[in-house]
Amino acid sequence: EAGVVQSPRYKIIEKKQPVAFWCNPISGHNTLYWYLQNLGQGPELLIRYENEEAVDDSQLPKDRFSAERLKGVDSTLKIQPAELGDSAVYLCASSLELNTEAFFGQGTRLTVV
Amino acid sequence: AQSVTQLDSHVSVSEGTPVLLRCNYSSSYSPSLFWYVQHPNKGLQLLLKYTSAATLVKGINGFEAEFKKSETSFHLTKPSAHMSDAAEYFCVVSLRNTPLVFGKGTRLSVIA
Repeated sequence: EAGVVQSPRYKIIEKKQPVAFWCNPISGHNTLYWYLQNLGQGPELLIRYENEEAVDDSQLPKDRFSAERLKGVDSTLKIQPAELGDSAVYLCASSLELNTEAFFGQGTRLTVV
Repeated sequence: AQSVTQLDSHVSVSEGTPVLLRCNYSSSYSPSLFWYVQHPNKGLQLLLKYTSAATLVKGINGFEAEFKKSETSFHLTKPSAHMSDAAEYFCVVSLRNTPLVFGKGTRLSVIA
């Protein structure tokens, strides 16, 4: 069974440019998460989806970040415009349902210069 | 509100000696608890989980953890460390209808 797939693995962009990350969760998983992980820190939740509905996005900086999960499967996270402080690893995870174990993708390492 | 505290940011052990990574949680309700491991430039991998069944949970690679409600702890242990255990370990808590909340992590170093 394929795991959670994220792309790209690495991205380097100049500040003020847009960037998008893509996530394909495990088939059949209703819950999808986007987490942000800064160097030396634990992951912090950005947004959680139950099927196609965003049910927990209180930590998402909505002035520059947006996300979507069309048809309740794949998801895209976008930043526009990117700032230097956005440099981090962006992790996608999925689970069958809330409170069950989550399976993580390899992450996208973003560097904003 | 739920939170999780990993008491040590860095633990160093010699190969073949026991490992203890400490985790405390705060919650008014019975939580689900997990330990994840992250090797350099790798994704997060589930080591083990507690979901209100047996209080002593066995995971992969010889790790286990014990849920102690009276102490609000969920410490991770392994009898004998191996070089390949060197990684970052995260204790994670989840309550009903809330997403996973991660601790800040404990970096485990294993000395030959």
